[in-house]
Amino acid sequence: DSGVTQTPKHLITATGQRVTLRCSPRSGDLSVYWYQQSLDQGLQFLIQYYNGEERAKGNILERFSAQQFPDLHSELNLSSLELGDSALYFCASSVASRGNEQFFGPGTRLTVL
Amino acid sequence: QQQVKQSPQSLIVQKGGISIINCAYENTAFDYFPWYQQFPGKGPALLIAIRPDVSEKKEGRFTISFNKSAKQFSLHIMDSQPGDSATYFCAASISGFGNEKLTFGTGTRLTIIP
Repeated sequence: DSGVTQTPKHLITATGQRVTLRCSPRSGDLSVYWYQQSLDQGLQFLIQYYNGEERAKGNILERFSAQQFPDLHSELNLSSLELGDSALYFCASSVASRGNEQFFGPGTRLTVL
Repeated sequence: QQQVKQSPQSLIVQKGGISIINCAYENTAFDYFPWYQQFPGKGPALLIAIRPDVSEKKEGRFTISFNKSAKQFSLHIMDSQPGDSATYFCAASISGFGNEKLTFGTGTRLTIIP
């Protein structure tokens, strides 16, 4: 158990809908990262937040957005969902002094029908 | 542009044997190289990591070998066990605030047979 929690574990929704994925980092970790894992694209970095502020952006679609709240939990919002958005979404966290060392949560499996 | 290339895609090793997975990177700014282990339905778990100032790091049955000039690194699993059957990902990142995103290889599905 990495100490990173994610909810829900599974999410099934329809095209065009909007969903919110939630992540709680390990106690004391200020950085949160979101990654997408799909069969064709592999594991890809989406976005990083540090202590409530966006720190880095990767291959994140404009339909996707994220935020980190004062209690350090983070949410990833996916809107206007398409079939191709079906994937595993992982959250990872790290301490500020060792940002490379990232610990992953169990993931949310999103299925868009 | 795939910045971290991983091979093989799949690997079958007999119990007790040595499993070897290789990765090559392009960006010379990378200075942190972790390996993650992922079981079906689980998140990637950090296994072992190395920085370019050393050529080898060993933790139990797991060893990373690093060749800076060749821009390659590899994971060796000694005395491989059926419980090691999983997908392994190499990754690379750059130290420094806002640069720590992990760039992953495509993964190796390892199967240990009795």
